[in-house]
Amino acid sequence: AQSVTQPDIHITVSEGASLELRCNYSYGATPYLFWYVQSPGQGLQLLLKYFSGDTLVQGIKGFEAEFKRSQSSFNLRKPSVHWSDAAEYFCAVYGQNFVFGPGTRLSVLP
Amino acid sequence: EPEVTQTPSHQVTQMGQEVILRCVPISNHLYFYWYRQILGQKVEFLVSFYNNEISEKSEIFDDQFSVERPDGSNFTLKIRSTKLEDSAMYFCASRGQGSSNQPQHFGDGTRLSIL
Repeated sequence: AQSVTQPDIHITVSEGASLELRCNYSYGATPYLFWYVQSPGQGLQLLLKYFSGDTLVQGIKGFEAEFKRSQSSFNLRKPSVHWSDAAEYFCAVYGQNFVFGPGTRLSVLP
Repeated sequence: EPEVTQTPSHQVTQMGQEVILRCVPISNHLYFYWYRQILGQKVEFLVSFYNNEISEKSEIFDDQFSVERPDGSNFTLKIRSTKLEDSAMYFCASRGQGSSNQPQHFGDGTRLSIL
């Protein structure tokens, strides 16, 4: 069975600081991996996805993520956070079906 | 860019009543999904739909739930007799034809409140 964990429930960073959100998955083969963002009261927006090839993928809004097979991880990064990045971030895995992680809430201090 | 749209954005219903949540997927998409997110919890898969039939459903999707594509554009989720625990955000998603790893495009959700 596939599963996704996001170890950090809530992260607070200062505006301009770097960010890394952790995601670990469990799946027997190489899954397809996604990061979505959800602003308060809004729907889910796709940030980036990994299917195959280069393990460092670039997404929208200056985000990137790196797939590390040896660690079963797909961590999301951004070099400099903006106040508008405050939201809930979900990692998702598509293997047999679509499974979301529990989410990490990002707060940004001015 | 085409979007998935959902109506209403917020619905308040009394327990025991039927509710229908509506979704208009992206026009050339063929695969449709419903998810729900109980407040403060993760997004949970409910059901997937292709070629006018359910292709997969979760344990949550019991006999109280049904889905329908009544015409060429809408995709609906019906809850026959709502319970308090059905209160959640419900998200519709769609994806296009092609490899199954294409990402799903999500609507903004319908907030369902059961009183």
